[in-house]
Amino acid sequence: AQSVAQPEDQVNVAEGNPLTVKCTYSVSGNPYLFWYVQYPNRGLQFLLKYITGDNLVKGSYGFEAEFNKSQTSFHLKKPSALVSDSALYFCAVRPGNDYKLSFGAGTTVTVRA
Amino acid sequence: DAGVIQSPRHEVTEMGQEVTLRCKPISGHNSLFWYRQTMMRGLELLIYFNNNVPIDDSGMPEDRFSAKMPNASFSTLKIQPSEPRDSAVYFCASTHGQGTSRTEAFFGQGTRLTVV
Repeated sequence: AQSVAQPEDQVNVAEGNPLTVKCTYSVSGNPYLFWYVQYPNRGLQFLLKYITGDNLVKGSYGFEAEFNKSQTSFHLKKPSALVSDSALYFCAVRPGNDYKLSFGAGTTVTVRA
Repeated sequence: DAGVIQSPRHEVTEMGQEVTLRCKPISGHNSLFWYRQTMMRGLELLIYFNNNVPIDDSGMPEDRFSAKMPNASFSTLKIQPSEPRDSAVYFCASTHGQGTSRTEAFFGQGTRLTVV
């Protein structure tokens, strides 16, 4: 079985401050890890992924994430948050040898001006 | 490419009626997913297909739910009969699925279903 945990329902930060959204996972074999963002009344938009290689991956809108195999984590980060980053963020995982994509519960990020 | 296309965007129906949701995946993608999103349960994977074949339907909540993918460019999710607790946003997503270069899933805009 595979699963994703996002331990924080909400993250609140001031504009210009660093933003971190946490994610841990459980999966058999090598994980493929993803982050998505959802704005109100919209579908999910892909931000970035880790498949193999460098543990630090960079994605859209200045976001990056670090894969930590020993801690089974894939935290999303942005050095300086913007008000426009306020949205719902989802972490997702699939095994490398399967297509089943499972999502965490989501974390609501609010960036205050 | 137009992306994943879902129809209708909104559906309001009465309890007991049949509801059919439609999805056109991105051309060339060979894996398709149906998800349901609610406040209480978050994003739930209902079923996914690979090369038009259902691979895992363990997330389909009841026999009232059924999904088909008659060809690579079309899928349907049917609820018969519908109940108020089926009210949710239903998302379709597709991905290339093979290899390591194009593994991310692309989502449609969703169908907001309200059963009254």
